[in-house]
This record gives sequence, C-alpha cells and structure tokens, in this order.
Amino acid sequence: GAGVSQSPSNKVTEKGKDVELRCDPISGHTALYWYRQSLGQGLEFLIYFQGNSAPDKSGLPSDRFSAERTGGSVSTLTIQRTQQEDSAVYLCASSLRGGTGGNEKLFFGSGTQLSVL
Amino acid sequence: SQKIEQNSEALNIQEGKTATLTCNYTNYSPAYLQWYRQDPGRGPVFLLLIRENEKEKRKERLKVTFDTTLKQSLFHITASQPADSATYLCALAGDGNNRLAFGKGNQVVVIP
Repeated sequence: GAGVSQSPSNKVTEKGKDVELRCDPISGHTALYWYRQSLGQGLEFLIYFQGNSAPDKSGLPSDRFSAERTGGSVSTLTIQRTQQEDSAVYLCASSLRGGTGGNEKLFFGSGTQLSVL
Repeated sequence: SQKIEQNSEALNIQEGKTATLTCNYTNYSPAYLQWYRQDPGRGPVFLLLIRENEKEKRKERLKVTFDTTLKQSLFHITASQPADSATYLCALAGDGNNRLAFGKGNQVVVIP
C-alpha cells in the first residue's frame, strides 16, 4: 500500500516568498504530524492533528507558520515571508490513532527539502 | 528542561560485531520509548517500541532495553552488516501528550 507522500520533494524559494508544503498521509490514519529537521539537528516537532480535535500547535516557531488538514486527510504546511533560517527538511508523519504517550509508531514521508535563498 | 541525548560521534564498527547505542533522557517519565532508523534523504523508519514495564525487546538482530531508573535505553545491533549503516534515533513522549520528541540520532558505520 502507499506510504506517506510529500510534495514537492525539493523547493527553492527566495527570502520573503510564501511556500506551501503538502502531505498525503496513509489512508485511514487519523493522526498527522509535521516535524522539521535542520542540518545536523534532530527532529523538531511543529504541529499535530488528531481526528476532529483542535490541533496541537505548540511547536510552531512563529506566526509565519500555519498548517491545516482538510477532511481529515491531506495536510498543508504554509510558511509566509520565508527567512533563510527556515531552510530545512520538513517531514510529515501519520499514525493510525494518534496514541497516548508515544505508544504508537509513526510512518514518515521522505520530506520536503526547503531552501530559502 | 527536557532532554533526549544520544552520542553525537559516529560509531564505526567491524562487520559481524555488536553495535550498542545509548539514549539518555532528562525530565521525562515516558511510558514508552521508540527507536527509528534514518537513511540519508529519507524519513525515519520505525524499528521497535518498548514499554516501561518491559526490560528488553527483541526483533531479529535488534535488541532494546529500557531502564526507567537510569532513564536510559540501550539499542543493540548484533552481527552487524554494512546494510545496517544508518542513523538511529530514539523517541519518546512527554506526560499526557502525543508529541513524540526525538534525540538527534547516532550514526552507525559498519565496516566490511
């Protein structure tokens, strides 16, 4: 079956432009996560969606970052007025139910490499 | 503050030997701990999950231990092979939330 799909795989943009990154989770997975991975750094949590519940936005680094999940499936991460420090790999993951306390494995996409010039 | 620490130095190991990686955590009380493998240009892939009441978990050549007193997990790859070369990440969640936090990962290089 299909895994988590992310697009584009690479995105080069100019400082100040807006970008949209897309994530298509595994069909039937109710939980969806966005992480950011900078060069040589660990995964930084950004946002978590679980079913119809209000998303956990506690990891978004600034108000330039936003995400939505339409129809409980596809998610879009939007970065407005991009800055050079936004350059990173943006990873999306999904899980079946969004288990409590880390009791459920995550399935990751291959990520979008964002480069802000 | 909460921390998940893994060795930043790559582990170079001869093929056939056992690789052992350490994950230490601070200011967490996880009920579960997970390990993932990440290859260059790819997202992490889940390997193993261990519960706080499990001392050890095995899957093929992989073994994980979880010591909640020491606040530490050990990850072992026995009979290592060049194909095991990758970065391995530990992950756990904070109390009452579903946000999996990850360590920075530990690179393993298996030398033929």
